[in-house]
Amino acid sequence: AQKITQTQPGMFVQEKEAVTLDCTYDTSDQSYGLFWYKQPSSGEMIFLIYQGSYDEQNATEGRYSLNFQKARKSANLVISASQLGDSAMYFCAMIPGFGNEKLTFGTGTRLTIIP
Amino acid sequence: GAVVSQHPSRVICKSGTSVKIECRSLDFQATTMFWYRQFPKKSLMLMATSNEGSKATYEQGVEKDKFLINHASLTLSTLTVTSAHPEDSSFYICSARQTISRNIQYFGAGTRLSVL
Repeated sequence: AQKITQTQPGMFVQEKEAVTLDCTYDTSDQSYGLFWYKQPSSGEMIFLIYQGSYDEQNATEGRYSLNFQKARKSANLVISASQLGDSAMYFCAMIPGFGNEKLTFGTGTRLTIIP
Repeated sequence: GAVVSQHPSRVICKSGTSVKIECRSLDFQATTMFWYRQFPKKSLMLMATSNEGSKATYEQGVEKDKFLINHASLTLSTLTVTSAHPEDSSFYICSARQTISRNIQYFGAGTRLSVL
C-alpha cells in the first residue's frame, strides 16, 4: 500500500520568506508520480506541481519547486518569496505505478503567511 | 492548467431528497473522472472512479446505491446523492484526468452539501 506523510500540521511564515513543506512517501513501485495541491479556504484544489519518479531534474513552476530526493523518498515543496495569498492548506499526493490513476493524499499542512 | 467546472457550489436540502452534482471538463476530454469527499479539517477521500461509457468503480465502504455516478460523455460526470440524510452532509469535489502521460488530475471547486 502507498502512503504519504506530511508531518507539519501547521506552519507560520513571514511574508517574502521562502518556505519548505515536507512530504515523504512510501511505495514499492518503481514508476510513480508526485503532486502538490493547494486548497484555499474556498475549497477548490489547485494543482501546483508534478514530479515523475524518473524525472532527473527537480520540477519547477514559477515560485514553486519540488525538492525530489528519491533515495530518501522525499518530495518537499519549496515556495520562494511567500505572499499573503499563499495562505492555504497544502496537500502532497501520489499516484503509484503506471496506469494507476488513484491519488493518495497526505493529511495536509496549513500554511499561514504573516504580513 | 485545465479547467474543471463543478455545480452547484452549495446546496441545502431536506432529508430524504436527492441531490445531483455535475462535474464538467471545460477545455479537454476526460475519459476518467473522480469523486472525492472531504470532512472538515481532513484530507480527501476517494469515493469512486467514473469512466465514460461504463459503470463507476466504487471504493470500499462507499454505497453505490446511495451515491449514483453517471459519466455519459467525455466532458460530464454526475454524482447523485440519493435519499440524502444529515450524515451525508459534507464537501464533495470532483476531478478529471487530462492526459495519460502525466496523470494530472484537475479539480472542480467543490460542492458543499448540507442536509437538514
